[in-house]
Amino acid sequence: DADVTQTPRNRITKTGKRIMLECSQTKGHDRMYWYRQDPGLGLRLIYYSFDVKDINKGEISDGYSVSRQAQAKFSLSLESAIPNQTALYFCATSDPDTGYADTQYFGPGTRLTVL
Amino acid sequence: GDSVTQMEGPVTLSEEAFLTINCTYTATGYPSLFWYVQYPGEGLQLLLKATKADDKGSNKGFEATYRKETTSFHLEKGSVQVSDSAVYFCALILNTDKLIFGTGTRLQVFP
Repeated sequence: DADVTQTPRNRITKTGKRIMLECSQTKGHDRMYWYRQDPGLGLRLIYYSFDVKDINKGEISDGYSVSRQAQAKFSLSLESAIPNQTALYFCATSDPDTGYADTQYFGPGTRLTVL
Repeated sequence: GDSVTQMEGPVTLSEEAFLTINCTYTATGYPSLFWYVQYPGEGLQLLLKATKADDKGSNKGFEATYRKETTSFHLEKGSVQVSDSAVYFCALILNTDKLIFGTGTRLQVFP
């Protein structure tokens, strides 16, 4: 089984709808991240969490919210989806015990299309 | 601010050709540097990393050397295979513990 899973893998929705993307991990890592990937822009950080009680905004948090339900679960919500939120979304985890150069482990991604 | 710049793609090569993908960075401190690879339909996975100047990261025949004097971390492979076709991301991390990615370079290798 994959260490970092994301559901759904694909989603098509309409403008104004509320959407939740879920991420689960079995790696036992405290740190979790949400990124979006757009063509020509690379990956940009939306939110990150260093433990269950810690939530931080990333580079592009407007229009998004997150919930860290447990060490293993980190959900991303779009309260009212808009077309420019169409993108590929990735969840990632890392282990702080390895210091600054910790490796991030990515899920397979969720492709979201907002019509 | 801190940033990563990498060459635009796609890079198109024949099998067994030599590969170079350029990456330069701007950072206020001394970052650790990474190359991540994204195969079609998959998430990113770490390819190699280097944590200090003059370190060489290597994996699966790929290499990159941390050059502080030129603020570069170019990715090289002596003989590419069709299975190397993917998108390659250069990235850095500083004491904020947040990865900063380049825009990605698509590599296409043909038989």
